[in-house]
Amino acid sequence: EVDLLESGGGLVQPGGSLRLSCAVSRFSFYDYAMAWVRQAPGKGLEWVSGITNSGANTYYADSVIHRFTISRDNSRNMVFLQMNSLTAEDTAVYFCAKLGSPSFFGAFDVWGQGTVVTVSS
Amino acid sequence: QPVLTQPPTSSASPGESARLTCTLSSEIDVANYKVFWYQQRPGSPPRYLLYYHSESDRGQGSGVPSRFSGSKDSSANTAILLISGLQSDDEADYYCMIWPSNVLFGGGTKLTVL
Repeated sequence: EVDLLESGGGLVQPGGSLRLSCAVSRFSFYDYAMAWVRQAPGKGLEWVSGITNSGANTYYADSVIHRFTISRDNSRNMVFLQMNSLTAEDTAVYFCAKLGSPSFFGAFDVWGQGTVVTVSS
Repeated sequence: QPVLTQPPTSSASPGESARLTCTLSSEIDVANYKVFWYQQRPGSPPRYLLYYHSESDRGQGSGVPSRFSGSKDSSANTAILLISGLQSDDEADYYCMIWPSNVLFGGGTKLTVL
């Protein structure tokens, strides 16, 4: 069974920064694209960012472009989300998700448990 | 900007079938897209259920029972998730998703099993 374990969430002031991590185990990490999806309190799912298996291509939702940066370290089986210039609208549970292919398309077939980000003064 | 519209709530009784809809905004044609469906039980992360494009192009998530199935109503520009033989633990939020350029989720439907 595949495991995704997010970390790095917490309370941050508006305008601050946070770096989320997702540690992956029990599958060939290099073979798959990865993504971050968030869920604001009481709301639905919102895709945030994605990265291809090699890390060569990255993708962002309009709501986070130029503020968030996704990256991955294939030697450590980890994917990251650097979040800058945070606002209250970024408050959410952030899920790490695995895609079913190397390219950024298709099903998010495995999900982590999520890490909570709260932006508040 | 494309939109996926899901009814906020739906309900059905145990053993019955639930038909959950996901209507695409007019600028995008459901016939052109694979539609992905996810289940999210309270307090849990989403779970991938299946995708449906056509009868010859569809797929089930790992371990997802066959009583979950997808279809389309092209006349209504709508994707459908059908859950047959409803069980109490089918009570959850259900989300549709497509890839018009990047990822787009519907707002979700809360299914109550009465």
